[in-house]
Amino acid sequence: GAGVSQSPSNKVTEKGKDVELRCDPISGHTALYWYRQRLGQGLEFLIYFQGNSAPDKSGLPSDRFSAERTGESVSTLTIQRTQQEDSAVYLCASSLRRGRNEQFFGPGTRLTVL
Amino acid sequence: LAKTTQPISMDSYEGQEVNITCSHNNIATNDYITWYQQFPSQGPRFIIQGYKTKVTNEVASLFIPADRKSSTLSLPRVSLSDTAVYYCLVGDMSGTGANNLFFGTGTRLTVIP
Repeated sequence: GAGVSQSPSNKVTEKGKDVELRCDPISGHTALYWYRQRLGQGLEFLIYFQGNSAPDKSGLPSDRFSAERTGESVSTLTIQRTQQEDSAVYLCASSLRRGRNEQFFGPGTRLTVL
Repeated sequence: LAKTTQPISMDSYEGQEVNITCSHNNIATNDYITWYQQFPSQGPRFIIQGYKTKVTNEVASLFIPADRKSSTLSLPRVSLSDTAVYYCLVGDMSGTGANNLFFGTGTRLTVIP
């Protein structure tokens, strides 16, 4: 079946603009994760959704970052008033549920803030 | 919060066995150990997961000592295509812990011809 998809694959924006990144998880996966990966660095956890429970936002770096998820489907990560330090690859993953289940990752969105 | 420590980088020649060790001194009773592989410009990919002793699949083996404070990912006879970053995660099997969300910086394995 289809894997996790993300769009756009690349996004170039100017400092101060808002951006929206989209993630389509694997159908039936109740858990959805967003990560940020700066060039040459590891993955930083941003936010996690599990079914209809309140999301775990503990990884969001500032109030400029927010995310929504519609039921157990599409998720959107929004970055307001982008800064140059927001430049990174934003990765989305989904899993059947949280815990020991394997996370399946999308290809990521490469964000460049000029 | 169980944290993991891995070597930053390793080099190996083609055909050799590679062992990457991860330390997780604060691992909790409910925690599983999971390894992911990441190629450049791709998202990480699941390799193997275990709780104790030894787990083997078609790709790798995972060795976990009795105290579970470390684990070793073993890649048999590596090839150039195994050049990647390898991440060790420790996470709550019940799904209520936060540990499985922290990938860390991983180990960059370079396979040399």
